[in-house]
Amino acid sequence: GAVVSQHPSWVICKSGTSVKIECRSLDFQATTMFWYRQFPKQSLMLMATSNEGSKATYEQGVEKDKFLINHASLTLSTLTVTSAHPEDSSFYICSARDWETGLTGELFFGEGSRLTVL
Amino acid sequence: RKEVEQDPGPFNVPEGATVAFNCTYSNSASQSFFWYRQDCRKEPKLLMSVYSSGNEDGRFTAQLNRASQYISLLIRDSKLSDSATYLCVAMNTGFQKLVFGTGTRLLVSP
Repeated sequence: GAVVSQHPSWVICKSGTSVKIECRSLDFQATTMFWYRQFPKQSLMLMATSNEGSKATYEQGVEKDKFLINHASLTLSTLTVTSAHPEDSSFYICSARDWETGLTGELFFGEGSRLTVL
Repeated sequence: RKEVEQDPGPFNVPEGATVAFNCTYSNSASQSFFWYRQDCRKEPKLLMSVYSSGNEDGRFTAQLNRASQYISLLIRDSKLSDSATYLCVAMNTGFQKLVFGTGTRLLVSP
């Protein structure tokens, strides 16, 4: 089946620094990728929808200037957490759907990236 | 009120038991529904889609009741490897967005 790869799996950074997380679709093209955040014992919350070649669509309450999303190609989307603070510590997960399967196709998730901000 | 609600559990059951999870959704415009499984500190993985006619995959049976806006998952003959968190998910067509419940934790013991 299709595979979505995320990198890095774990990252620890100092407060005030920026962290970039990559999400790649390995054997399919994804015109749309989704970024989720999951705090401990909570559900996954959609942060933004990343569209190839255009601006991301952010969910209400998600700061677009803090969480920069770039979807430069059909197989790569990046999420940059700028000026990270301890409250940004969370599990960030991307997901993508093979555009050829359309809206009913299975959504594949990356392995997730656990961010800890000291 | 959360858009997708689940009992967080945990459900503690012995091996071989049958266990059922319920889920309700509030957005009547939701078109598609899924059950995902999430192991600790891992990404969610699709367990099965949920159809109005009900669907079965081995030991797992999912049901959807649109009138009551209610979804269920039945696991028969529980295995130790079934221990995980089960996420009820609704998809809002048009935006392709998945809305996740908080998950129901299942612990299967020997």
